Amino acid sequence: DTGVSQNPRHKITKRGQNVTFRCDPISEHNRLYWYRQTLGQGPEFLTYFQNEAQLEKSRLLSDRFSAERPKGSFSTLEIQRTEQGDSAMYLCASSPGLGTAAYGYTFGSGTRLTVV
Amino acid sequence: GNSVTQMEGPVTLSEEAFLTINCTYTATGYPSLFWYVQYPGEGLQLLLKATKADDKGSNKGFEATYRKETTSFHLEKGSVQVSDSAVYFCALLGSNNNDMRFGAGTRLTVKP
Repeated sequence: DTGVSQNPRHKITKRGQNVTFRCDPISEHNRLYWYRQTLGQGPEFLTYFQNEAQLEKSRLLSDRFSAERPKGSFSTLEIQRTEQGDSAMYLCASSPGLGTAAYGYTFGSGTRLTVV
Repeated sequence: GNSVTQMEGPVTLSEEAFLTINCTYTATGYPSLFWYVQYPGEGLQLLLKATKADDKGSNKGFEATYRKETTSFHLEKGSVQVSDSAVYFCALLGSNNNDMRFGAGTRLTVKP
């Protein structure tokens, strides 16, 4: 297993366009998390899944943000009608569920979004 | 709610100097505590962890002890190297395991 994989690594988009990011977690991990990180700040929690169920989404930044994990494997994060304030690094992480407290989260390398 | 407060940076040290990065937390119950490191252009890598009071996490010469009485988890290394230059994040995972909270990060630069 090569760890958590995120694509693309970089995305430049024009304001108002929609963007979608993909995350492939470690295969035996059933929990998947999305975070946003802005320059000079720590990661900020957005949402998480256990298998295909999205168990927390109240922290998504606005209704322009949505996430899916249709078959409990990979996940996508979509931002509609992007704004310049959406420019940030979007991080995905996964964990083994019951073992999370002992092992922590494993993060991907992130997708850096720039809205121009 | 749960939160982490981290020593502000940036921190600049000479090679072989002693490093301390302070981290304190606020939490209900019995959280797990972590230090992550982020190198330029990369995601976060787990550096060390502690899951209960008085546990000491250690890795690559870094250490941190989970102090419940002072609600702290300070990161230390006895002799830093240039390759340790990175941003370090203290993090807390509450008993629900669902929402890891991070500090703002401390940028460390080690000069030869």
